[in-house]
Amino acid sequence: GQNIDQPTEMTATEGAIVQINCTYQTSGFNGLFWYQQHAGEAPTFLSYNVLDGLEEKGRFSSFLSRSKGYSYLLLKELQMKDSASYLCAVMDSNYQLIWGAGTKLIIKP
Amino acid sequence: NAGVTQTPKFRILKIGQSMTLQCTQDMNHNYMYWYRQDPGMGLKLIYYSVGAGITDKGEVPNGYNVSRSTTEDFPLRLELAAPSQTSVYFCASSSSIAGASEQFFGPGTRLTVL
Repeated sequence: GQNIDQPTEMTATEGAIVQINCTYQTSGFNGLFWYQQHAGEAPTFLSYNVLDGLEEKGRFSSFLSRSKGYSYLLLKELQMKDSASYLCAVMDSNYQLIWGAGTKLIIKP
Repeated sequence: NAGVTQTPKFRILKIGQSMTLQCTQDMNHNYMYWYRQDPGMGLKLIYYSVGAGITDKGEVPNGYNVSRSTTEDFPLRLELAAPSQTSVYFCASSSSIAGASEQFFGPGTRLTVL
């Protein structure tokens, strides 16, 4: 079967750095996406990785290791507005997105 | 641009009733999707469309139907609503299906079946 695993919840302090991990087992791989979802709102796109390595975009970076079936999202200089759920999704061999349950990130002052 | 719009925002149905969730996008995207999101679970694909007149089943299509008569609209029909269909429904669209093609989501419809 296809499976995406992420921690259910994480807590971090404003101004700090947090790493959210995602492991996956899917039938085929055509890229990995990270989305942000604030409570009661729609998901919004953060990043895309298809090759191994680190992609940096401002305060957010995403890493991929295809051989390990592993990715992480790194958030630096955390702000209160970063309190949200972070969704990991893998595009499988049929070009359909398989979604993790999301990691709820709580930022404390 | 309004992006992806969905109506209604909230709805309560009785068991056995039917309804249509509306979805419209103004980005001229060929690809459109319907997902459901249940608490503690990932988004599940219900149906998708690769263009006007073409639809296909996703992971959880039972109890739902779709149509795609125009590029802009992709309505989702629930027939004989059941409590198991209580969920948040998101419509999304994308310009491509491959590569770094992000999906743009509508605001969602929160459906309760009692």
